[in-house]
Amino acid sequence: IAGITQAPTSQILAAGRRMTLRCTQDMRHNAMYWYRQDLGLGLRLIHYSNTAGTTGKGEVPDGYSVSRANTDDFPLTLASAVPSQTSVYFCASSDRVGDTQYFGPGTRLTVL
Amino acid sequence: DQQVKQNSPSLSVQEGRISILNCDYTNSMFDYFLWYKKYPAEGPTFLISISSIKDKNEDGRFTVFLNKSAKHLSLHIVPSQPGDSAVYFCAARDTYSGAGSYQLTFGKGTKLSVIP
Repeated sequence: IAGITQAPTSQILAAGRRMTLRCTQDMRHNAMYWYRQDLGLGLRLIHYSNTAGTTGKGEVPDGYSVSRANTDDFPLTLASAVPSQTSVYFCASSDRVGDTQYFGPGTRLTVL
Repeated sequence: DQQVKQNSPSLSVQEGRISILNCDYTNSMFDYFLWYKKYPAEGPTFLISISSIKDKNEDGRFTVFLNKSAKHLSLHIVPSQPGDSAVYFCAARDTYSGAGSYQLTFGKGTKLSVIP
């Protein structure tokens, strides 16, 4: 069982480009989440999905969009990347909203 | 407005001694608290949790204490081992009913270094 996989592992992106970070889980968890981790700021929630077909905004949603077409996949899209979106992005999932969350290995994104 | 605070960015402890990591919160609607451990270049991993109806939960070398009146929790690691060196995040779950309910709010983390 792989748990949660994220792709790519790392990416350098020019400002203004569009980028989609991929997240797939094989645990059949209902809820999924996207966080960003920045030095000195901890983990901040970007978007979440309590169940397939629904999404919600977290603490820092601006500049990001998500979709949840099925249970397993929860892609995060940056429509037009900006340097302030340079960060490490973690995807997580939980059996139900409010349950313990399990994290993927992260994607390190650099926007130049 | 930081609702979960880890005021010590770093902590160094000798191997074999006790490590105590602290976390304070301000939101009285938090009902469930978790500690995550994170190694460099890896995702956070769940370590231990505690419900607000308890004041202590123990799992091997790890014990979490909750003081609701003080809105304070702590993670004790005894004895500390070099492999415990990592960043530890405190997280709290919100029982607010409505959009975004039951989300976790994380502290900024404390980097623990266990010195051999």
